Amino acid sequence: DVKVTQSSRYLVKRTGEKVFLECVQDMDHENMFWYRQDPGLGLRLIYFSYDVKMKEKGDIPEGYSVSREKKERFSLILESASTNQTSMYLCASSLRAGRAGELFFGEGSRLTVL
Amino acid sequence: AQKITQTQPGMFVQEKEAVTLDCTYDTSDPSYGLFWYKQPSSGEMIFLIYQGSYDQQNATEGRYSLNFQKARKSANLVISASQLGDSAMYFCAMREMNTGNQFYFGTGTSLTVIP
Repeated sequence: DVKVTQSSRYLVKRTGEKVFLECVQDMDHENMFWYRQDPGLGLRLIYFSYDVKMKEKGDIPEGYSVSREKKERFSLILESASTNQTSMYLCASSLRAGRAGELFFGEGSRLTVL
Repeated sequence: AQKITQTQPGMFVQEKEAVTLDCTYDTSDPSYGLFWYKQPSSGEMIFLIYQGSYDQQNATEGRYSLNFQKARKSANLVISASQLGDSAMYFCAMREMNTGNQFYFGTGTSLTVIP
């Protein structure tokens, strides 16, 4: 059974803390994505990566960074968490551009910043 | 311009009835894929159905079908014989096959099935 696994379902952090959200996929997918989901706004792309050590900004990269040292792992980093980063974070993976196939999602990480 | 537009923030349907969730898209890439996802209250995103831009027939998966009207750039999801478990958020998405790696999502439609 193919899987995208996110390290934490629920996190509570304090303002100013550094936060790491980890995502691992076992499908040998080239592409990995981090989305943020807020009510009424749908899914907004934060960053994506199409290869190891490669990354591209999405629609809302401010306040976030990412790391992809291995093909199967894509990490989202909040250098200094703020209350407006309280949200649901979804990791996803897919085959590379030009190849058909859907986006596979992890279960989501609900982050609360106090 | 929005790549994916879902104009129905919320929909209600009687159990056992059919319901159509609207989705329109915007692209100049002749090769693209359209997707529908379901997100129950648990938060997981469940892939429902896929339609390729060159597919001649509308996609179907069990009670789900995709009403693909290419000229109108619409890709509506039809759920037949609604069940209480169909209550969820539904997202339409598109991927342009030639121009990039991204998937574009709509803002979603919240469906409530009434007993």
